[in-house]
Amino acid sequence: EVQLAESGGGLIQRGESMRLSCVASDFSFSAFWMHWVRQAPGKGLVWVARVNGDGTSTDYADSVKGRFTISRDNAKNTLHLQMNNLGAEDTAVYYCVRGRGSYSLFYFDYWGQGAPVTVSS
Amino acid sequence: DLTQPPSVAVSPGQTATITCSGDPLPKNYAFWYQQKSGRAPVLVIYQDKKRPSGVPERFSGSISGALATLTITGAQVDDEGDYYCFSTADGGGWGVFGGGTRLTVL
Repeated sequence: EVQLAESGGGLIQRGESMRLSCVASDFSFSAFWMHWVRQAPGKGLVWVARVNGDGTSTDYADSVKGRFTISRDNAKNTLHLQMNNLGAEDTAVYYCVRGRGSYSLFYFDYWGQGAPVTVSS
Repeated sequence: DLTQPPSVAVSPGQTATITCSGDPLPKNYAFWYQQKSGRAPVLVIYQDKKRPSGVPERFSGSISGALATLTITGAQVDDEGDYYCFSTADGGGWGVFGGGTRLTVL
């Protein structure tokens, strides 16, 4: 069974940085695009970023471009999200998600349980 | 952007219909996710109308023009939760979710 386990969330001060990680298991990690999706308290889902199988191609939502960096370590089956200059609007549960489909027509088939991030002012 | 009704309510056994409209459709596929309280989302429909293994047959998807529809025929109390449609933007650089629909079955 595919498993995705996030870590690294917690309470952080406004303007600081945080790194989320996600360990994947039971599938060929390097063969899949991986994504981060977030959900603010009581709000809907928002796609955040994605990275291709070998880590050479990335895309970001406008709201995080220039502040967040998605990366991966295929030797350790691990996905990362480096988040800098965090603001209150970044408070959310962050989900690690496996991508399917093509570059232009993608979707998600497996989700982690989520890592809560709270940015305090 | 993708637009969904904020809420839908039906009685057990009735048919629940949740719509999703927006610019990426129908050129790009619609996907549907179910999210129960405090849990991660689960894929229930992909590529407009396909059902992943393990998803009950009462869940179906369709599309007509720029309107995608998730139908739950004979809704059960266990189907309560939030439902999100998803598609990819033109050019494929990013993805977009609908605002979500809260389904109440009581």
